Amino acid sequence: AQTVTQSQPEMSVQEAETVTLSCTYDTSENNYYLFWYKQPPSRQMILVIRQEAYKQQNATENRFSVNFQKAAKSFSLKISDSQLGDTAMYFCAFMKHGPGDKLTFGTGTRLAVRP
Amino acid sequence: GAVVSQHPSRVICKSGTSVKIECRSLDFQATTMFWYRQFPKKSLMLMATSNEGSKATYEQGVEKDKFLINHASLTLSTLTVTSAHPEDSSFYICSAGGQGSSSYEQYFGPGTRLTVT
Repeated sequence: AQTVTQSQPEMSVQEAETVTLSCTYDTSENNYYLFWYKQPPSRQMILVIRQEAYKQQNATENRFSVNFQKAAKSFSLKISDSQLGDTAMYFCAFMKHGPGDKLTFGTGTRLAVRP
Repeated sequence: GAVVSQHPSRVICKSGTSVKIECRSLDFQATTMFWYRQFPKKSLMLMATSNEGSKATYEQGVEKDKFLINHASLTLSTLTVTSAHPEDSSFYICSAGGQGSSSYEQYFGPGTRLTVT
């Protein structure tokens, strides 16, 4: 079974600064996907970024980037130029490679962006 | 992008009654749909996976007779909470997986807040 660990229950960052959220996972799979989801106060789950394990290059989506270390089983999220709208719960998630497979979520990190 | 809707967004029911929550994929066919439960300030807990036309696969510890899941078409899955009790009060979220090359992608509904009085 896969496990996903987020060791930071809460984080705070000043607006316009950079913050990094940590995530580690445990799996015996070689092919898989990793995701970061954002859940704002509306509670709608929003996909922030995804990474295919077979790709060495770190994924980037505008102000969001990841540091994927496959050997260390680490998948951190960096948010640059933090904005007030980034305030949310952030969940790291793992999925085995295969159609229709399920997501395994971490416990989440609550991020507060201070004005 | 793909859109998933849930209905109702909020529901209050009395203890002992049943309540049905619908999850619809609006602009794509969902081979697989997932049902999650989320307690306040907690992570999403997968309850079950449903594939169109077949029985749902429930996670360990989830009562299949209490949480009835039906996936009758490629665009609709329903979760029925039977004989609801106050401890069933929670936030229920569905997600839908698409077909083809993006089959790893899951699209989430906006959630349903269930309160059992």
